[in-house]
Amino acid sequence: GENVEQHPSTLSVQEGDSAVIKCTYSDSASNYFPWYKQELGKRPQLIIDIRSNVGEKKDQRIAVTLNKTAKHFSLHITETQPEDSAVYFCAASQGGYQKVTFGTGTKLQVIP
Amino acid sequence: DAGVIQSPRHEVTEMGQEVTLRCKPISGHDYLFWYRQTMMRGLELLIYFNNNVPIDDSGMPEDRFSAKMPNASFSTLKIQPSEPRDSAVYFCASSTNRGETQYFGPGTRLLVL
Repeated sequence: GENVEQHPSTLSVQEGDSAVIKCTYSDSASNYFPWYKQELGKRPQLIIDIRSNVGEKKDQRIAVTLNKTAKHFSLHITETQPEDSAVYFCAASQGGYQKVTFGTGTKLQVIP
Repeated sequence: DAGVIQSPRHEVTEMGQEVTLRCKPISGHDYLFWYRQTMMRGLELLIYFNNNVPIDDSGMPEDRFSAKMPNASFSTLKIQPSEPRDSAVYFCASSTNRGETQYFGPGTRLLVL
């Protein structure tokens, strides 16, 4: 089955700096890669996703890049703010197959 | 839409007792997922349903766990008998057939003493 590895497990950045979280996946058939944000005590919520026919996607301060050849994808957050502090999960799936495999999460702390 | 609804939000029980967690997916969603989240193991998929039919239960830890979806608007996850190592936050999520975004419920925080 699919295996998703996520690094780093914790990340501290100063407010205004950029943060990068990296994930690798094992199943070359995976073609859908969502990112979820989970604030303390809350539910995971989708913040951005990318499909395998696209190399990069941006939404305001967040962007995701995908390298299918290397089987890795990354989340980039620019101009970080304290409200970005949360646990971020990457995930991979075969799209219509619907089963999503999550990474182990990255706890991001933005220091004011 | 109220989103995915889970009950109870918190459950404290004693080892050996039966625990039933409930989930109401978003109306019109064809897929329903049950996850367990712990510090040690992260977010684990336990089982998921498509059109009320269990598709993959390979994540169910053992026979003490069972899940049902008797209709499109209701699912249960049952643990019998419960053990302290079952303590976790259990999330239910749903999604449409045409999109992959999963919408999570607020979770049930289970503590087994």
